[in-house]
Amino acid sequence: GAVVSQHPSWVICKSGTSVKIECRSLDFQATTMFWYRQFPKQSLMLMATSNEGSKATYEQGVEKDKFLINHASLTLSTLTVTSAHPEDSSFYICSARTPRATNEKLFFGSGTQLSVL
Amino acid sequence: GNSVTQMEGPVTLSEEAFLTINCTYTATGYPSLFWYVQYPGEGLQLLLKATKADDKGSNKGFEATYRKETTSFHLEKGSVQVSDSAVYFCAQSGATNKLIFGTGTLLAVQP
Repeated sequence: GAVVSQHPSWVICKSGTSVKIECRSLDFQATTMFWYRQFPKQSLMLMATSNEGSKATYEQGVEKDKFLINHASLTLSTLTVTSAHPEDSSFYICSARTPRATNEKLFFGSGTQLSVL
Repeated sequence: GNSVTQMEGPVTLSEEAFLTINCTYTATGYPSLFWYVQYPGEGLQLLLKATKADDKGSNKGFEATYRKETTSFHLEKGSVQVSDSAVYFCAQSGATNKLIFGTGTLLAVQP
């Protein structure tokens, strides 16, 4: 089946630094990718929708200048947390959708646990 | 707005025990409902789904019935195995067809 690879699995960084998370679709072209985050004991929440070759669409309350999303190719989307702070510590998950598929037919990465000291 | 509420884990069971993970939703309209499973070190994958009231989704011995009257979609399995240990997410497709997830419930099955 389709595979989505997400790296790194976990990262620890100092406050004020930037962190990049990669999401790759290994055996299909993903025209649309999604980024989610989950704070402890809270729901997995959609942050943004990324379409290849165009600007990402951010959900309400998500700062687009802080969470930079790049989807420059059909197999790669990156999320950069700029000037990370402890409150950004969270579990980040990406997912990818095959062309013409509905948003129900998603393939997920295994997630990235970010800890900001 | 639309939301999903599921029971807080962890749920710890012995092998062959009966499993229920509760899930309720709030929605305008009639969303599709899903259960996703995340095994250790892997991405979420769709376990089962139901698209309308009274539908029953089933897969790998797991079942869930779409109950409109109680706005619920509880996950059940008659006899769990150690290999079922994972995090289970309940979800609905919202008005914009985006997935809305619950908090996830960690299931630990002991031999």
